[in-house]
Amino acid sequence: GAGVSQSPSNKVTEKGKDVELRCDPISGHTALYWYRQSLGQGLEFLIYFQGNSAPDKSGLPSDRFSAERTGGSVSTLTIQRTQQEDSAVYLCASSSRRTAGELFFGEGSRLTVL
Amino acid sequence: KQEVTQIPAALSVPEGENLVLNCSFTDSAIYNLQWFRQDPGKGLTSLLLIQSSQREQTSGRLNASLDKSSGRSTLYIAASQPGDSATYLCAVSPPGGANSKLTFGKGITLSVRP
Repeated sequence: GAGVSQSPSNKVTEKGKDVELRCDPISGHTALYWYRQSLGQGLEFLIYFQGNSAPDKSGLPSDRFSAERTGGSVSTLTIQRTQQEDSAVYLCASSSRRTAGELFFGEGSRLTVL
Repeated sequence: KQEVTQIPAALSVPEGENLVLNCSFTDSAIYNLQWFRQDPGKGLTSLLLIQSSQREQTSGRLNASLDKSSGRSTLYIAASQPGDSATYLCAVSPPGGANSKLTFGKGITLSVRP
């Protein structure tokens, strides 16, 4: 597709379970970002991949969170041993220097931890 | 640390009114500023991107201005319509080129009454 694709769109899980969220960026976009949006809160930066450089993980809230990007394209955000405070919408975005870094977002993955 | 503020948090106007949404940022050293729209339960849609060397950008009924020295941007919406009802977020990127992580404001929730 032409846009950023995220899956699943909704995920309900039990506390303590692991979850994986997937992001498929726009083809050719070298930068990929994960943000988190909690109810009534702003967007919280989590992690940023740029090409083959080491990712900027400075926003990950704990070591239960990790992300990888395979082949410079698809990214997976993994949350281990989920807690109720992890409930949020996880948004992925991608960008390209060719378009001055304009961010294009996916529709998000809504995570609910019971 | 860059901080982005959007005040007020919510705004309600009658249809047809011209309106201005404000965004302020604490560090004037930015690469670009973007305005986004978010509809309930959806991801963010890019509206306008202003590079640091630019003063304004226009798209249809939208006009965004940037005053880097004072740390301010405004989004002007002409002849507002009920379909403009959404949350509007601004975000700035640090210097260093395109494809940098953005800092977001918390957004202004706009309601346009028919």
